[in-house]
Amino acid sequence: EPEVTQTPSHQVTQMGQEVILRCVPISNHLYFYWYRQILGQKVEFLVSFYNNEISEKSEIFDDQFSVERPDGSNFTLKIRSTKLEDSAMYFCASSYGGDTVNTEAFFGQGTRLTVV
Amino acid sequence: KQEVTQIPAALSVPEGENLVLNCSFTDSAIYNLQWFRQDPGKGLTSLLLIQSSQREQTSGRLNASLDKSSGRSTLYIAASQPGDSATYLCAALNFGNEKLTFGTGTRLTIIP
Repeated sequence: EPEVTQTPSHQVTQMGQEVILRCVPISNHLYFYWYRQILGQKVEFLVSFYNNEISEKSEIFDDQFSVERPDGSNFTLKIRSTKLEDSAMYFCASSYGGDTVNTEAFFGQGTRLTVV
Repeated sequence: KQEVTQIPAALSVPEGENLVLNCSFTDSAIYNLQWFRQDPGKGLTSLLLIQSSQREQTSGRLNASLDKSSGRSTLYIAASQPGDSATYLCAALNFGNEKLTFGTGTRLTIIP
């Protein structure tokens, strides 16, 4: 069964360092997303990406964050200068449709980011 | 702004019982509502998706219902098993948005 895969599963980084989280969405999906979940809190939307550009982003997704689809299969989230409060589980998701049909979102297993 | 609430935060039931998990949302202009399962430290597994035009959706022992007018969805689990122990999340997709708005989840424990 097709699935969303994320690497690494766990990343530890020092405050101020740049990190790149990687995702391979389901191959025929057109919409890609990043969400995060701080320990004990709700899953929060960060950004959606369609047709090689950001289609929607939340207030959390400030200039420290960027996304890229460098090739036909990978989708990345970069955090330029990590802060302690960026520590969270980051989930990548994909769906075939956006706000139309076939909007069921499939999530990866997550990358646990720990900033020290 | 959509707000999604799940009560109770935690629920323990003996194996074999049927149970209902609740999800409430404030903005009824939803396109669909999706139920997920999350095991500790793991990702989100999609269980069921109900379109706004549907009232129910079934998959095996799971049945999800949607009442947009009252802003509620329920997930019914029949004949619960210890393997059903997990956190269950509901998430709403509103018209004109591409983001899911998640509830805080219900942590379910099935007692053998």
